[in-house]
Amino acid sequence: QKEVEQDPGPLSVPEGAIVSLNCTYSNSAFQYFMWYRQYSRKGPELLMYTYSSGNKEDGRFTAQVDKSSKYISLFIRDSQPSDSATYLCAMRMNYGGSQGNLIFGKGTKLSVKP
Amino acid sequence: DGGITQSPKYLFRKEGQNVTLSCEQNLNHDAMYWYRQDPGQGLRLIYYSQIVNDFQKGDIAEGYSVSREKKESFPLTVTSAQKNPTAFYLCASSIKGAEETQYFGPGTRLLVL
Repeated sequence: QKEVEQDPGPLSVPEGAIVSLNCTYSNSAFQYFMWYRQYSRKGPELLMYTYSSGNKEDGRFTAQVDKSSKYISLFIRDSQPSDSATYLCAMRMNYGGSQGNLIFGKGTKLSVKP
Repeated sequence: DGGITQSPKYLFRKEGQNVTLSCEQNLNHDAMYWYRQDPGQGLRLIYYSQIVNDFQKGDIAEGYSVSREKKESFPLTVTSAQKNPTAFYLCASSIKGAEETQYFGPGTRLLVL
């Protein structure tokens, strides 16, 4: 069983739609949950991270963590064509050294049509 | 402007050749990382360094080598022992102990001739 599972898509939505991106994980020791946005042929850009459970909002983006279900989500409101990218989730345990390294999902490719 | 630079953007390797990818940061970060990304795959950690003159193997270190002689620089050498080097290579940095906030460079695409 893979540690972090993420549906690769592609996901296509009309402009203005609410987008829901999700990851599941198996390691209950994960404490930090990150979402990265990666445009084609570019490096990933950190959108936001959450520590432990709960919600975090930043503009049109909301990250949710449900540790009981081992499930995290990223919601994008009023989606724009400029949101078209691959979205990567990543997680880590709250330890130092190699145990604190990030584990990435494979990414979900999102296309927002005008 | 603070950030991470990687060069070159594209790199071609011949059979049996070692090639070196450059990564420089001016964010004053102690920790630096190298990842490999293959199509449809998540990022996989090759090597990381949390302090100058020290580095650790990641999940897929075989066929790669690194050095960390300066805080700002973390070059990656892809050796001839790496039999499948074609990939997108990403360098990142973070404050030591804050691996959740890694900042990535623009990447180097390595192709085999």
